[in-house]
Amino acid sequence: DAGVIQSPRHEVTEMGQEVTLRCKPISGHDYLFWYRQTMMRGLELLIYFNNNVPIDDSGMPEDRFSAKMPNASFSTLKIQPSEPRDSAVYFCASLVWGDSGNTIYFGEGSWLTVV
Amino acid sequence: AQKVTQAQTEISVVEKEDVTLDCVYETRDTTYYLFWYKQPPSGELVFLIRRNSFDEQNEISGRYSWNFQKSTSSFNFTITASQVVDSAVYFCALRGGSSNTGKLIFGQGTTLQVKP
Repeated sequence: DAGVIQSPRHEVTEMGQEVTLRCKPISGHDYLFWYRQTMMRGLELLIYFNNNVPIDDSGMPEDRFSAKMPNASFSTLKIQPSEPRDSAVYFCASLVWGDSGNTIYFGEGSWLTVV
Repeated sequence: AQKVTQAQTEISVVEKEDVTLDCVYETRDTTYYLFWYKQPPSGELVFLIRRNSFDEQNEISGRYSWNFQKSTSSFNFTITASQVVDSAVYFCALRGGSSNTGKLIFGQGTTLQVKP
C-alpha cells in the first residue's frame, strides 16, 4: 500500500513568496496531521483534521500559515508570506482510528528553505 | 501536561555493542499510547512500535526490544548487536487517550551513531 505522499520533497524559496506544501494521506485514513521539525523546537504538531474538518489548529504559529483539506485524499499547508524562520521540515501524517494500533504514519517530509 | 524526556542527546557505540535508549514520560491520562520512531539520515520518520498503557508486556522484535514500566513512567528501547544501519535519530512519543486524538508529543530525540 502507498504511504503518506508529500510534495515537494525539497523547496527553496525567497522570503516573501508563497509556499504550498501538499499531502496525500493513506487511503482510508480519517485523520491527517501536519507537523513541523526544527532543531530548536523539535517535532511539533501544527494542525490536524478529522474527516476533512480541522479539529485543532492551536499549533499553527501565526496567520501566515493556513491549512486546508478539501477532500479525504488531499491537504495543503500554505505559508504566505514566507520568512526565513519558517525553514524546517514539514511532515504530513495520517491514521485511521480503530486500526491495529491507532498509529500515526508519516510521509517523507517536505524540506523547506526560505532565503 | 504531557511531556516526553529523552535525556540522552547523542550516543556513540561500536558495531555489535548493545545500546539502550531511555524514554521517560509524564501524563495524567489513565489511558495513553507510547511510540518509538526512527529517523534515518534520509529524513523520513519510520514507525517502530506502539504500546498501550494497559499493556505492560515487553516486546522483542529481532534485535529490538522495548521495556515498558508504568511504575517508573519509562519506555526504554534496546538494540542488541547494533549495526551501522541502526545509525539514526530515535524519537519516543506519547499520545493521550482521553483527548487529543492525534497530538503526539515527541521527545527531543536521541542520535545514535554506530561505528564500524
